[in-house]
Amino acid sequence: NAGVTQTPKFQVLKTGQSMTLQCAQDMNHNSMYWYRQDPGMGLRLIYYSASEGTTDKGEVPNGYNVSRLNKREFSLRLESAAPSQTSVYFCASSEVGLAGPKNTQYFGPGTRLTVL
Amino acid sequence: QQQVKQSPQSLIVQKGGISIINCAYENTAFDYFPWYQQFPGKGPALLIAIRPDVSEKKEGRFTISFNKSAKQFSLHIMDSQPGDSATYFCAASMPSNYGQNFVFGPGTRLSVLP
Repeated sequence: NAGVTQTPKFQVLKTGQSMTLQCAQDMNHNSMYWYRQDPGMGLRLIYYSASEGTTDKGEVPNGYNVSRLNKREFSLRLESAAPSQTSVYFCASSEVGLAGPKNTQYFGPGTRLTVL
Repeated sequence: QQQVKQSPQSLIVQKGGISIINCAYENTAFDYFPWYQQFPGKGPALLIAIRPDVSEKKEGRFTISFNKSAKQFSLHIMDSQPGDSATYFCAASMPSNYGQNFVFGPGTRLSVLP
């Protein structure tokens, strides 16, 4: 099992360009998440998907859109990139449920995005 | 209310020493407290976790101490090794309409000197 995979690993954009970050998991998890990680700020939730067909906003959704394509795949789109979106983006998945091991979040390796 | 505070920001420990990282929270609705370990270029990985109904949980060299009344919890790494050098994040989660809502601390960069 590959776990959670993300593409691309690195990306450089110019202000105003658009791009889509791809995420896939092979653990048959129901829930998927997109986080951004900035120095000194930990991980902040951008969007999440509790199950196939549903998505909802997290703490910092402005400037992003998401698509839960199927149970395996959850993509994050930047329509018009801004320098403030320079960050490392992590996708995660978990088996939906109550607190405990079943809701452990498994993270992908991340995408390092720079917006010039 | 949703914040999780974490200290220190960075920590340098000699091999064989004890590493201690502290976290504090405000919201009593949090009901699950995991610690994540992150190596450079990798995603965070669950290290150890605790529920608020126990005061301590130990897994190998890693121990979580939990003080419910003080709303504080800490990670202790005994006999620290150079391979433990990583960034550690504490987190707190509470039930939400999509399962559990996780809030992460800002992270502690641990360096264990050989």
